[in-house]
Amino acid sequence: GAVVSQHPSRVICKSGTSVKIECRSLDFQATTMFWYRQFPKQSLMLMATSNEGSKATYEQGVEKDKFLINHASLTLSTLTVTSAHPEDSSFYICSAARVEALGNEQFFGPGTRLTVL
Amino acid sequence: GENVEQHPSTLSVQEGDSAVIKCTYSDSASNYFPWYKQELGKGPQLIIDIRSNVGEKKDQRIAVTLNKTAKHFSLHITETQPEDSAVYFCAASSADSSYKLIFGSGTRLLVRP
Repeated sequence: GAVVSQHPSRVICKSGTSVKIECRSLDFQATTMFWYRQFPKQSLMLMATSNEGSKATYEQGVEKDKFLINHASLTLSTLTVTSAHPEDSSFYICSAARVEALGNEQFFGPGTRLTVL
Repeated sequence: GENVEQHPSTLSVQEGDSAVIKCTYSDSASNYFPWYKQELGKGPQLIIDIRSNVGEKKDQRIAVTLNKTAKHFSLHITETQPEDSAVYFCAASSADSSYKLIFGSGTRLLVRP
């Protein structure tokens, strides 16, 4: 149980285009999903918290107009990188949280490697 | 806000030896401490976690200890195998911070055959 999928696993796009990444919890309902970005040999950096049916909460320094997040259902959240530029190239990882009494367990997707040419 | 420090940044051990990775946290409200293993090009995989109401948890070769007074927790891997080689991250979260995970900087573990 607790499987999270991401699609696509890898995407290459031209500068100026938009890219959508999907995150799905396959066998549990997740009221909260998180989006992270990870640069090579670095830790995960939280970008935003996504709650089903409400607007995402962005971390300081993350442009909400550039990284559009939609959490339309209890099993699906999407991240759209708008007008992508080479500096947006990174490994994007989502997680889905299963809320328990003493805190969330977060289960991570396999990640999406974005390369912007 | 919460800050999590992780040491060492790299760790090389001989197969069969034990490996210990340590983390400290700053927010006394943190009550959930997971450990993740990340292999190259993949997402982090939850390997063990501990909550603030217990001091130790074990799962086969992996154990985690928590010292709430000192605000530190450790990952112990015994009888290491080459397939344990990966990057390990500790994290902490609390209800006060909307359950957001704050990650340590990671430890690159190499198990030499």
